[in-house]
Amino acid sequence: AQSVTQLGSHVSVSEGALVLLRCNYSSSVPPYLFWYVQYPNQGLQLLLKYTTGATLVKGINGFEAEFKKSETSFHLTKPSAHMSDAAEYFCAVTLPNSGYSTLTFGKGTMLLVSP
Amino acid sequence: DGGITQSPKYLFRKEGQNVTLSCEQNLNHDAMYWYRQDPGQGLRLIYYSQIVNDFQKGDIAEGYSVSREKKESFPLTVTSAQKNPTAFYLCASSMGSSNYGYTFGSGTRLTVV
Repeated sequence: AQSVTQLGSHVSVSEGALVLLRCNYSSSVPPYLFWYVQYPNQGLQLLLKYTTGATLVKGINGFEAEFKKSETSFHLTKPSAHMSDAAEYFCAVTLPNSGYSTLTFGKGTMLLVSP
Repeated sequence: DGGITQSPKYLFRKEGQNVTLSCEQNLNHDAMYWYRQDPGQGLRLIYYSQIVNDFQKGDIAEGYSVSREKKESFPLTVTSAQKNPTAFYLCASSMGSSNYGYTFGSGTRLTVV
């Protein structure tokens, strides 16, 4: 079975500062990994995903994430935070090509951005 | 535009009553999912369906029921057996397996009064 751990339920940054949201996974085989963003009282929106190939993945809104197999990590970064980035972020994992596998989500990290 | 529609946005239910949450998609996706979201607990899978007339229990299926009579629709019924139904419910769909990731609806907030 696969699982995801997001370190830190809340992360606070100043506008213009680096954003780093941490995600570690546990999987018996190389997984597919996803980051989603959720604004208050809305559904989740896909930011980026890693399947195969290049380990540095670029997504929407200036976010990117790097798959590091040796560290079992898929941390999300953005060089400069904007006020509009304040939201909750979820990391998710699935096992590729495994039939009825579903996405397993982490508990989420709330990003707070101060002026 | 293609997407997933959940209705209603807000729902109030008296204790002891069953209530059905609607989820419709026009993306021609085969698979559909229901998740429950509580503060600090992330998303927990209730039920999912890969094809019409077939569905599987997720991690927290007790007190819930679903049907999949049409490809486009996957309604969730919260029964009176669900001990703590107040939560935010999210419906999602995917092309086939979860390899492609999910498209989510905007959610239904259920409150038991």
